[in-house]
Amino acid sequence: GAVVSQHPSWVICKSGTSVKIECRSLDFQATTMFWYRQFPKQSLMLMATSNEGSKATYEQGVEKDKFLINHASLTLSTLTVTSAHPEDSSFYICSAGEGAVEKLFFGSGTQLSVL
Amino acid sequence: SQQGEEDPQALSIQEGENATMNCSYKTSINNLQWYRQNSGRGLVHLILIRSNEREKHSGRLRVTLDTSKKSSSLLITASRAADTASYFCATDAGNTGKLIFGQGTTLQVKP
Repeated sequence: GAVVSQHPSWVICKSGTSVKIECRSLDFQATTMFWYRQFPKQSLMLMATSNEGSKATYEQGVEKDKFLINHASLTLSTLTVTSAHPEDSSFYICSAGEGAVEKLFFGSGTQLSVL
Repeated sequence: SQQGEEDPQALSIQEGENATMNCSYKTSINNLQWYRQNSGRGLVHLILIRSNEREKHSGRLRVTLDTSKKSSSLLITASRAADTASYFCATDAGNTGKLIFGQGTTLQVKP
């Protein structure tokens, strides 16, 4: 089946630094990818929709200047957490659909810890 | 928030027993999906049920959907220890791929 690869799996960084997370569709093209964040023992919250070749669409309350999304190709979307702070520590996970978006494939997630 | 609710929040059963999880949502939907998440891992798609369907089966999984009550249930029959995980329902209002997740049910199956 289709595979979505997310990298890195975990990252620890100092407060004030920026962190880039990659989401790749390995064997299919994804014009749209989605980014979610998940706090411990909580559900997934949609952050933004990443559109290939155009600007991302952010959900209400998500700072677009804080969470930069780039979808430069049909197989790669990146999420950059800029000037990370401890409150940005969370599990970030992406998803992509193959063809019809009824069935989505999720990456394995990235655990971000900001010290 | 448009997130739905799931109950129970936590469920602990013995291997071989059935596990039932319920999900309620707030808006009209195009489809409802159930996902499984092992601790600290990504999500695995289990089953999708469309708004015009009432029941769907996949192996040991049975999903029902009641659009009049805006609710769904996931039944796992003959549970195994390997079924231990968190289970989430997610709704797609416009078949866009944008999913609104429920709060999740943490299932523990004791061997």
